[in-house]
Amino acid sequence: DGGITQSPKYLFRKEGQNVTLSCEQNLNHDAMYWYRQDPGQGLRLIYYSQIVNDFQKGDIAEGYSVSREKKESFPLTVTSAQKNPTAFYLCASSILPGQANTEAFFGQGTRLTVV
Amino acid sequence: SQQGEEDPQALSIQEGENATMNCSYKTSINNLQWYRQNSGRGLVHLILIRSNEREKHSGRLRVTLDTSKKSSSLLITASRAADTASYFCAAKETSGSRLTFGEGTQLTVNP
Repeated sequence: DGGITQSPKYLFRKEGQNVTLSCEQNLNHDAMYWYRQDPGQGLRLIYYSQIVNDFQKGDIAEGYSVSREKKESFPLTVTSAQKNPTAFYLCASSILPGQANTEAFFGQGTRLTVV
Repeated sequence: SQQGEEDPQALSIQEGENATMNCSYKTSINNLQWYRQNSGRGLVHLILIRSNEREKHSGRLRVTLDTSKKSSSLLITASRAADTASYFCAAKETSGSRLTFGEGTQLTVNP
């Protein structure tokens, strides 16, 4: 089945540790996105990528890092520099940037809790 | 900075009534998209309206776009209890593929 998969669904991290969230898509989409969602809030853009080996900071990139070594994969690392990492993280993908009028497809999210 | 500010933040209605949610954005857009999110889940795309369109329909959904006011509205007609969810607008900016979401409207449809 085609789609976008995030793993794990739940993740616990000790303070001071880095942790990596996985996002994989088999939709052949060029653009991929990471968002953070806090309880009762909207989605805030962390990073996005339009093409392999290229990515741009979103509105809240501090304390996060990404890589885009393969078209189908866009992992997000939450570093120890992120002061308040407990949140729900959502990954999305969409077709070529040039084909602007297309929707994004979302994964089911990863809930990260710092313990 | 956040685009796509929505109001109301929360809306509670009875089954069969219509629900209207509004969204404002700040920059130039290619399109304006609406999504639905059930609690603790990913977002599902509902409808997309292009910057050169003013109104669009899809089933019980009606979306309007006013680019002069940088605003959009989503109308759900004849609501059902199953429509209970959070609804978000998202602005696809003209430059690049950046997609920015608003704060969302929590809709509760009471049976």
